[in-house]
Amino acid sequence: DAGVIQSPRHEVTEMGQEVTLRCKPISGHNSLFWYRQTMMRGLELLIYFNNNVPIDDSGMPEDRFSAKMPNASFSTLKIQPSEPRDSAVYFCASSFLAGGIETQYFGPGTRLLVL
Amino acid sequence: GESVGLHLPTLSVQEGDNSIINCAYSNSASDYFIWYKQESGKGPQFIIDIRSNMDKRQGQRVTVLLNKTVKHLSLQIAATQPGDSAVYFCAESQAGTALIFGKGTTLSVSS
Repeated sequence: DAGVIQSPRHEVTEMGQEVTLRCKPISGHNSLFWYRQTMMRGLELLIYFNNNVPIDDSGMPEDRFSAKMPNASFSTLKIQPSEPRDSAVYFCASSFLAGGIETQYFGPGTRLLVL
Repeated sequence: GESVGLHLPTLSVQEGDNSIINCAYSNSASDYFIWYKQESGKGPQFIIDIRSNMDKRQGQRVTVLLNKTVKHLSLQIAATQPGDSAVYFCAESQAGTALIFGKGTTLSVSS
C-alpha cells in the first residue's frame, strides 16, 4: 500500500497568493483529516470528512481556508489569500472508522512557507 | 510528560535503557488512546493503541499503560535504540470523534 500521498511536499509562495494542497487517502479508508503543525501550537485538527462529507470544520482558522473532498480518493485544502502566519507543515491523515475505533495514518506532510 | 507551552518536554536516555514517556489526558469520557512517533521531516507514525476497557497492551518492544483513575497514559520502550529518537505524541478520542493530540515529548537516545 502506498500510504497517504500528499503533494506538493514543499511549497514556497508569496503573501496574497493562492495555495492548494492535495491529498490522496489510503484506498478503502472512509475518513480524511487535515492537520496543521507548528512549534507554537503543535498538531491542530483543521477539518475532517467522513464518507466525503465534512463533519467538523471548527478548526479551520478563518474564511481564507477551505477544504473539499469531491470523491473518496482525493481532497484539497486551499488557502486564499495566503499570509505569512499560515507557514506550517500541513498533514493529511486517513482512517477507517469502525465501531468507534479509528487509527489514523498520516501522510508525509506539505511544508508551506509564505513569504 | 506532556505539557502545554513553547518547549516540548525532553527525555534523554542511553541506548539499551528502557524509556517511559508519560501523558496526562483531559477527557474522562475518552475511550480510545493512541501513541504516535514522529521523526524529523516525517508525518506521525502509529505505534500502539489501547481501548478504555484495557489497562495494558503490549507490542514489539513497546507497552502502553492506561490509568483511567488519574487519566494517565504511558508508553514504555524496552531496550531503547538510536532509531527510537523522535517526538512522541499521545492522542485521545471519545466515541469515534476526532483524535485530540497532546503537545509531544522529544525522546533523545545517545549511544
